[in-house]
Amino acid sequence: NAGVTQTPKFQVLKTGQSMTLQCAQDMNHNSMYWYRQDPGMGLRLIYYSASEGTTDKGEVPNGYNVSRLNKREFSLRLESAAPSQTSVYFCASMWEVSGNTIYFGEGSWLTVV
Amino acid sequence: AQSVTQLDSHVSVSEGTPVLLRCNYSSSYSPSLFWYVQHPNKGLQLLLKYTSAATLVKGINGFEAEFKKSETSFHLTKPSAHMSDAAEYFCVVSSNNAGNMLTFGGGTRLMVKP
Repeated sequence: NAGVTQTPKFQVLKTGQSMTLQCAQDMNHNSMYWYRQDPGMGLRLIYYSASEGTTDKGEVPNGYNVSRLNKREFSLRLESAAPSQTSVYFCASMWEVSGNTIYFGEGSWLTVV
Repeated sequence: AQSVTQLDSHVSVSEGTPVLLRCNYSSSYSPSLFWYVQHPNKGLQLLLKYTSAATLVKGINGFEAEFKKSETSFHLTKPSAHMSDAAEYFCVVSSNNAGNMLTFGGGTRLMVKP
């Protein structure tokens, strides 16, 4: 039981390049999330998906797209990376049955130069 | 709408003394509340959660938190700090009314002095 798995763990991009962060959970959760974490700002929601086939914008969606490919997978895409997107990205999923318990991936450290 | 305010961005204690990290929340409906800990360059680890059962919640590593509806607070405490407790702590609120969205506080960095 791997929980929430994110790839890659580290990535360096040049400005204007594109990339996709992958996230998969094996816990059969309906809700999945992408957050970014910046120093002194806590975690801010980029996009979330309440169920397979649905996605919604969070607090800071600009510059990102997401895809809920199936119940397991929720990917985050940067179409044209900018230095302002240098951050640590966390994927999470939620088990609604028992008090909305949240499970996080280990994070993806992204640097845009 | 829901929100979380962590009242202190930094807290410094001496090893062996009590820890108090303060969190106030706002939620229109019965919330679920969580505390997470993040050590440097690591992911987030669940310390404890409140989900409308007992108002005093015990978590891992000797931490506990008390849900006080009248004060809309969920403060995190530990009787005796250990050097390994130095980390950043996040208070998180979630409610079904908000579509299960998670709202994070800004974080409190706990420093433990020898």
